[in-house]
Amino acid sequence: GAVVSQHPSRVICKSGTSVKIECRSLDFQATTMFWYRQFPKKSLMLMATSNEGSKATYEQGVEKDKFLINHASLTLSTLTVTSAHPEDSSFYICSARDAGGDRNEQFFGPGTRLTVL
Amino acid sequence: AQTVTQSQPEMSVQEAETVTLSCTYDTSESDYYLFWYKQPPSRQMILVIRQEAYKQQNATENRFSVNFQKAAKSFSLKISDSQLGDAAMYFCALGGSNYKLTFGKGTLLTVNP
Repeated sequence: GAVVSQHPSRVICKSGTSVKIECRSLDFQATTMFWYRQFPKKSLMLMATSNEGSKATYEQGVEKDKFLINHASLTLSTLTVTSAHPEDSSFYICSARDAGGDRNEQFFGPGTRLTVL
Repeated sequence: AQTVTQSQPEMSVQEAETVTLSCTYDTSESDYYLFWYKQPPSRQMILVIRQEAYKQQNATENRFSVNFQKAAKSFSLKISDSQLGDAAMYFCALGGSNYKLTFGKGTLLTVNP
């Protein structure tokens, strides 16, 4: 149980285009999901907290108009990188908190590698 | 603000030996959780062990155990009988009342056969 999927696992896009990444909780309901960014050989940096049915909360320094987050259902959150540029190339990881489980346990997706040309 | 510090960028251990990874943290909250995550080359984050701050007893999971020193704000991970599959990046993380996790910079563990 407690599986989180991400799609796509890998995406390459041209500069100026938008890319959508999906994060799904497959066997539990997630009222809260988190989006992280990870540079090579670096730690995970929290970008935003996604709450079902409400606006996302962004961490300081993260452009909310650049990284659009939607959490329309209890099993799906999406991150859209708008007008992507090469500096947006990174590994994006989502995690989900089980609404019915331990409040401090998060389950991580396998990540999405974004390359912007 | 919460901070997590891992002072060992890299560590190595011989197969079957024991290794300890260090982690210190800082938080103003009284109710918090501490975690060790493993990230192998696949980059999938895997929970290794967790510790509730209110529990005095150190958590253990098979070959993995922690030394939780609350007053010193220290949370080290001990891996016993190291195996080749233990080779990975290890992250210490701190969770608080808002469910957010703050991660340390990680320690890259190499296991030598």
